[in-house]
Amino acid sequence: GESVGLHLPTLSVQEGDNSIINCAYSNSASDYFIWYKQESGKGPQFIIDIRSNMDKRQGQRVTVLLNKTVKHLSLQIAATQPGDSAVYFCAEMSGGSNYKLTFGKGTLLTVNP
Amino acid sequence: GAGVSQSPSNKVTEKGKDVELRCDPISGHTALYWYRQSLGQGLEFLIYFQGNSAPDKSGLPSDRFSAERTGGSVSTLTIQRTQQEDSAVYLCASSYSRGSYTGELFFGEGSRLTVL
Repeated sequence: GESVGLHLPTLSVQEGDNSIINCAYSNSASDYFIWYKQESGKGPQFIIDIRSNMDKRQGQRVTVLLNKTVKHLSLQIAATQPGDSAVYFCAEMSGGSNYKLTFGKGTLLTVNP
Repeated sequence: GAGVSQSPSNKVTEKGKDVELRCDPISGHTALYWYRQSLGQGLEFLIYFQGNSAPDKSGLPSDRFSAERTGGSVSTLTIQRTQQEDSAVYLCASSYSRGSYTGELFFGEGSRLTVL
C-alpha cells in the first residue's frame, strides 16, 4: 500500500554535529513532502516542505533532499543544538488525496551536550 | 489565543462511555484536521474539513467515531461506546487552505484519551 516510513527509529548526535534523518516513501504520486518536529507533550510543528519537482530546498539550518529515483527523503540539520531534540516526522501530501497529510512513524533525535 | 486550542487536555473514561473532544482552530483558517497518535506511533488521519465542502471522513476507524464543525470554526470529535483501543492522543490541526496546497498545518497540543 501507499505509505511513508523511516529508516531509523532513533538517532543520537553530539551538540554541534550535523544530523541527517532519513525517510522512504512509496507513493510516487505525492506532490509534496513535508517535515515536522514534535517535542514531548506538544503537537507537531512544521519545519520545511519540498515540492516533488525539486530535489533540494534549504531553510534556516535545515536542508531537505529529495531523491525520486529511489523514493528517498532526508532532513539535514546543521550544527545540531539541544533544542533540536524531538521526534521528526516526514509526511506526504498529494492533491489526489484532497490535501490530507500522511505521516510516517517518526525518528527520535537526541542531542547530547 | 493565537494557536489551536484543544480540550480537554486529558480525559479518562470507562469502557463503553461516550466522549467529546473539542478543537478551536486558528481564526480565519478554513481547513481543519483531526489525527490520532498512539504511543510511539505516527499520526493517523481521521477526518478533514475544508470550508463548506463535504468533509473527508475516510480515516474514521469505525462508525463509533464522528465529527462535526459548526459555523466553519469549532469542531467536536465524538467517540461513542469507547473501547480500550481508542486510548491515544487526538490531535487537531488547522491551516489557511482554500483547497490548494499548504503543508503547514498548525497543531494543537492534543487531547489525551485513556479508556479504562
